[in-house]
Amino acid sequence: SQQGEEDPQALSIQEGENATMNCSYKTSINNLQWYRQNSGRGLVHLILIRSNEREKHSGRLRVTLDTSKKSSSLLITASRAADTASYFCAASGGSNYKLTFGKGTLLTVNP
Amino acid sequence: SQTIHQWPATLVQPVGSPLSLECTVEGTSNPNLYWYRQAAGRGLQLLFYSVGIGQISSEVPQNLSASRPQDRQFILSSKKLLLSDSGFYLCAWSGTPGSYEQYFGPGTRLTVT
Repeated sequence: SQQGEEDPQALSIQEGENATMNCSYKTSINNLQWYRQNSGRGLVHLILIRSNEREKHSGRLRVTLDTSKKSSSLLITASRAADTASYFCAASGGSNYKLTFGKGTLLTVNP
Repeated sequence: SQTIHQWPATLVQPVGSPLSLECTVEGTSNPNLYWYRQAAGRGLQLLFYSVGIGQISSEVPQNLSASRPQDRQFILSSKKLLLSDSGFYLCAWSGTPGSYEQYFGPGTRLTVT
């Protein structure tokens, strides 16, 4: 499967600091996506990076993709307490829009 | 704009009882639909997906089943719940042309006692 695995499992930082989360996957992909989940809620799509892209930005988010290492990273700059959530990577390798999610990184931003 | 609804929000059911969770999508046609389960502190496990009415693919063998009686309606069912069926059930849709993003509902918290 294209399963994503996030690292670290949990991350605690102070407001204003940057947060970096990593993801590894096993097989070739069409794209890799990052999602956010607040406690007890549904997931919200953050950003998608295609297999032929190496870096993508969206506001305070920066995603990189290294297909040779089968890894991706999500950087959140100038973190805020409201960024506290779980973050999941999801790999897509087929044409039927199926995604395979990792177990997530729990980010805690302390005010 | 598109919206996705799930109900109920929470459910407590005894072992051996039946289950029916419903998901509906508004504002789009012929979406791909998905059911996921999330155990406490874990990632999402894809249970079923559907690319059209009456077309259901099962990802994990279990005592759950899914049906899609209408284009924008997706139902998750069980005839007899097990304790291991407890979890957070999420419905999602995708299918905006050229897009791979999935859009999730608010989820149903199921506790089997």
